[in-house]
Amino acid sequence: DAKTTQPPSMDCAEGRAANLPCNHSTISGNEYVYWYRQIHSQGPQYIIHGLKNNETNEMASLIITEDRKSSTLILPHATLRDTAVYYCIVRVIPNSGYALNFGKGTSLLVTP
Amino acid sequence: GAVVSQHPSWVICKSGTSVKIECRSLDFQATTMFWYRQFPKQSLMLMATSNEGSKATYEQGVEKDKFLINHASLTLSTLTVTSAHPEDSSFYICSARDTREGYEQYFGPGTRLTVT
Repeated sequence: DAKTTQPPSMDCAEGRAANLPCNHSTISGNEYVYWYRQIHSQGPQYIIHGLKNNETNEMASLIITEDRKSSTLILPHATLRDTAVYYCIVRVIPNSGYALNFGKGTSLLVTP
Repeated sequence: GAVVSQHPSWVICKSGTSVKIECRSLDFQATTMFWYRQFPKQSLMLMATSNEGSKATYEQGVEKDKFLINHASLTLSTLTVTSAHPEDSSFYICSARDTREGYEQYFGPGTRLTVT
């Protein structure tokens, strides 16, 4: 799986959009971009994934650049409950059962 | 959505004793389950991959005789920490791979182990 680079931490005011960047310059054509988050002392939670088109669900939007070398996760109206560590992961699906490779992620702090 | 449970959610044990942690997929079948370990302020580290009906595959540096994994059914995998020591204190998280279309992985809530 391709390696990803994320800023270690970010702050966001409650109610504002949180834009979390991820660099994956070595991504292959058959690799997807996945985002998970982990709230303190809980298991990771799936957020969204995409291949090359922008994606949106009830939790977030994923913007992938045309060259696919980077992406941005957007939480449109951040709340205090969005404070968590956000992980950007690149992987091939369907896969043969390989585990997810978690990097260090971005620690997002949403402030009142 | 798919739900994965872990039991217990937290456990305190004395050094030298063994502790069993259960991971269950509640509403789907999981031929593959993964066990991760997370130390404070660190990311999740894969310990082993567990396939139903076969032996687990351990990551380099993980002692298979110390961390016993059993995946006897499509909905249950267990991790037993044998002869636990204080350095085994950690947050243990399992994930289960949904065998339906998409092959997504769903995570349990984690088990906090403290060895005194």
